[in-house]
Amino acid sequence: AQSVTQLDSHVSVSEGTPVLLRCNYSSSYSPSLFWYVQHPNKGLQLLLKYTSAATLVKGINGFEAEFKKSETSFHLTKPSAHMSDAAEYFCVVSESGGSYIPTFGRGTSLIVHP
Amino acid sequence: ETGVTQSPTHLIKTRGQQVTLRCSSQSGHNTVSWYQQALGQGPQFIFQYYREEENGRGNFPPRFSGLQFPNYSSELNVNALELDDSALYLCASSSGPVDDYGYTFGSGTRLTVV
Repeated sequence: AQSVTQLDSHVSVSEGTPVLLRCNYSSSYSPSLFWYVQHPNKGLQLLLKYTSAATLVKGINGFEAEFKKSETSFHLTKPSAHMSDAAEYFCVVSESGGSYIPTFGRGTSLIVHP
Repeated sequence: ETGVTQSPTHLIKTRGQQVTLRCSSQSGHNTVSWYQQALGQGPQFIFQYYREEENGRGNFPPRFSGLQFPNYSSELNVNALELDDSALYLCASSSGPVDDYGYTFGSGTRLTVV
């Protein structure tokens, strides 16, 4: 079985400061991991994905995430927040060799202050 | 601009009625999934279709049903609507295994049941 836990429901940062959104996962198989972003009244957009290649994954808009198997984590980071980054972020796990059905976390709301 | 189009964007129905939501995916996207996203929650998987056959289903009752057509369009049907069915319904498609390619999401249909 697979599951994903986003450790923070809300994260608040100032513009220009680093962003850290935390995600832990559980999977019986080799996981594929994703981060999606959802702006208000919009659908979800894929930020980045890990599919057993490099453990440090670079995505769009300056975001990156590091897969740490020993910690079962896939935290999302960005060196410098921009006002346009304010949105809901979802961590997603999908089991290669398992059900292939992605499981979404509950989401982290990123708030960016001027 | 997303390649997945959903209609209608908003819908109000009365408890007990039936509703059909529609999705048009990108050409070549043989996998389509439907998700329910309640307010403040992450998307919950309803079911997935691959080449017009259902190949995965989440924890939703049989009154939630779907169809996928050869022209990459699909439908979500919900019978006997309940107040708790009020949510954003998201269609997502993929050109290959979801754990390799990730999803392309539509902007969703906001269903309100009164």
